[in-house]
Amino acid sequence: DGGITQSPKYLFRKEGQNVTLSCEQNLNHDAMYWYRQDPGQGLRLIYYSQIVNDFQKGDIAEGYSVSREKKESFPLTVTSAQKNPTAFYLCASSMVAGVGVRETQYFGPGTRLLVL
Amino acid sequence: EDQVTQSPEALRLQEGESSSLNCSYTVSGLRGLFWYRQDPGKGPEFLFTLYSAGEEKEKERLKATLTKKESFLHITAPKPEDSATYLCAVQATGGSYIPTFGRGTSLIVHP
Repeated sequence: DGGITQSPKYLFRKEGQNVTLSCEQNLNHDAMYWYRQDPGQGLRLIYYSQIVNDFQKGDIAEGYSVSREKKESFPLTVTSAQKNPTAFYLCASSMVAGVGVRETQYFGPGTRLLVL
Repeated sequence: EDQVTQSPEALRLQEGESSSLNCSYTVSGLRGLFWYRQDPGKGPEFLFTLYSAGEEKEKERLKATLTKKESFLHITAPKPEDSATYLCAVQATGGSYIPTFGRGTSLIVHP
């Protein structure tokens, strides 16, 4: 079955620790995205990538980093610089139908990050 | 700046009581409007994409409609399993085409 997988489902971070969230897709989508979801707020974009080895900052990139070494994979690292990391993190992907035109986003199941 | 406002924030219905959720938007030009369903602790599930005013799409008890300023998600004779948060997002022409999401409407359907 085609889809997006995220792991782990739950992740615990200690003070000063960097943690990495995994996102893999087998939909052959070019574009991938990371969102943060907090209670009562809309989805906020952290980073996005249109092609391998290229990515752009979203609205709340501070304290986060990403890489895009493979088309299928877009891991997100939450660094110690992110002072309020507790949230639900969602990865998404979409086709790129034309230059600058992205199609429907499909989402993974999410990772909930908690701080110890 | 693109804006998306969903109302109401929360809605409680009795099973079989039809209603509508609203998504009002402000964009310079609309590329697409998306509806998603999100269950607690899970990722959003895609429902519909609407592209132009007057367009309608249906899926089981759900029907999405679009005007130049807003979209409605009509729920006909809802069942308890329709309980979820419904998210609306708009994609604008020009710029990065990254969708802007509303905060969602939390729907609870009581048996």
